[in-house]
Amino acid sequence: GNSVTQMEGPVTLSEEAFLTINCTYTATGYPSLFWYVQYPGEGLQLLLKATKADDKGSNKGFEATYRKETTSFHLEKGSVQVSDSAVYFCAPSGGGSYIPTFGRGTSLIVHP
Amino acid sequence: SQTIHQWPATLVQPVGSPLSLECTVEGTSNPNLYWYRQAAGRGLQLLFYSVGIGQISSEVPQNLSASRPQDRQFILSSKKLLLSDSGFYLCAWIDRNYGYTFGSGTRLTVV
Repeated sequence: GNSVTQMEGPVTLSEEAFLTINCTYTATGYPSLFWYVQYPGEGLQLLLKATKADDKGSNKGFEATYRKETTSFHLEKGSVQVSDSAVYFCAPSGGGSYIPTFGRGTSLIVHP
Repeated sequence: SQTIHQWPATLVQPVGSPLSLECTVEGTSNPNLYWYRQAAGRGLQLLFYSVGIGQISSEVPQNLSASRPQDRQFILSSKKLLLSDSGFYLCAWIDRNYGYTFGSGTRLTVV
C-alpha cells in the first residue's frame, strides 16, 4: 500500500512569509497526489492535485510539483496570509490501492 | 456534480447510549466510501471502508460498526458509546483521478 511522511508541525510564520511543507510518499504504481486543507472546525477540502510526474498543481497561491524521482510533493506558497492558518494533509491516491493514505497533517499558524 | 451529505453536524451523547451517523452521496454510482475519525489535534484514522452494498472492511478493532444498506448510503453505528469514541467523524468517497470528497464532519462528544 501507499504511505506518506509529512513534516511535523506546527509551522508558525509571520504574514507574507514563504511557506514550505514537505511531503514524501511511497506507493506501488503511479498514484495521483493531493493536498487537502482543513480549516478549524471543518471537514477537509481539496486544495490542489497533480496526476502525473512533473505536473504542478496550484490553487489559492499554493503550488506543489509531482517529483517522481524524489517521490515528493512539497507544498509551497510565496506569501502566506492569516487566513491560511489551517491543517494541511498530503495524500497519494490510487496507484493500485483502494485505501486512501493521509499524512498526519501539518498545522500552519500565521501571525499578523 | 458529486456531493456528500453528512449529519448531524454536532452530537453530545451519554456513555452507553447508541450512535447512528449517516452519510449519503449524490452524483455518482458505486462509490468507494470511507469513515474516518480525527481525534483532537491528530491526523485521520481510517475506521471503515466499503466498495459496494453490504461490503464493509474494518481497519481497526473498536466499539463501532458500519453498514451500507444502499449504494450511496454509509452508516456508522455503535450500540454503546464509550468516552474514547469522542472525536470528529468524517465520511468520504473517492474518485481515483480526482481525489476524495469529504463530508462536513460530525463532532461527537461522549459525556
